[in-house]
Amino acid sequence: LAKTTQPISMDSYEGQEVNITCSHNNIATNDYITWYQQFPSQGPRFIIQGYKTKVTNEVASLFIPADRKSSTLSLPRVSLSDTAVYYCLVGAPIYSSASKIIFGSGTRLSIRP
Amino acid sequence: NAGVTQTPKFRVLKTGQSMTLLCAQDMNHEYMYWYRQDPGMGLRLIHYSVGEGTTAKGEVPDGYNVSRLKKQNFLLGLESAAPSQTSVYFCASKSRLAETYEQYFGPGTRLTVT
Repeated sequence: LAKTTQPISMDSYEGQEVNITCSHNNIATNDYITWYQQFPSQGPRFIIQGYKTKVTNEVASLFIPADRKSSTLSLPRVSLSDTAVYYCLVGAPIYSSASKIIFGSGTRLSIRP
Repeated sequence: NAGVTQTPKFRVLKTGQSMTLLCAQDMNHEYMYWYRQDPGMGLRLIHYSVGEGTTAKGEVPDGYNVSRLKKQNFLLGLESAAPSQTSVYFCASKSRLAETYEQYFGPGTRLTVT
């Protein structure tokens, strides 16, 4: 499984766009990039997954450059309810290695009024 | 569908006591996981299972045992609890055929060992 590096914490304000970057220099050809969100006292929740370029859903966008050695999770116009820990994972979902899923320490995002 | 459920929600143990945490899922998922999360920390994988009757060690397996006798259930056992095992325990499941890394998590069990 590719190792990931992301900031320990970030602060922002309501209404702003927040971008959280994850580095994964040794990403493999079959690997996807996946992001989870965890609110206090709850289990993590899947947000988005992508392989290359850009993926967008109702919650976030995921930008992946051509070399795929990093990725950026973008949260548009954040609110107080976006305060959470965000985890970046890298791996191949449909291969045998997908059975072992490792979470890193994540990025603690704090949104202020 | 109930999704992933965990029993109990809270538990206080004394050092040396034993207990079993139960995880159940009704989504017919092949993969199941046990994680622990200490205050202010990320999740660490304890054990996981790729199917009924099979289990494997994760990052921090010492002091824990698991069993997967039925596909829908994954049990985590502490034979002799220690204060270092005070943590929140999360169970999760995932479909083997899913084209995403989407795991479904339970609500967690908060365990305190005194």
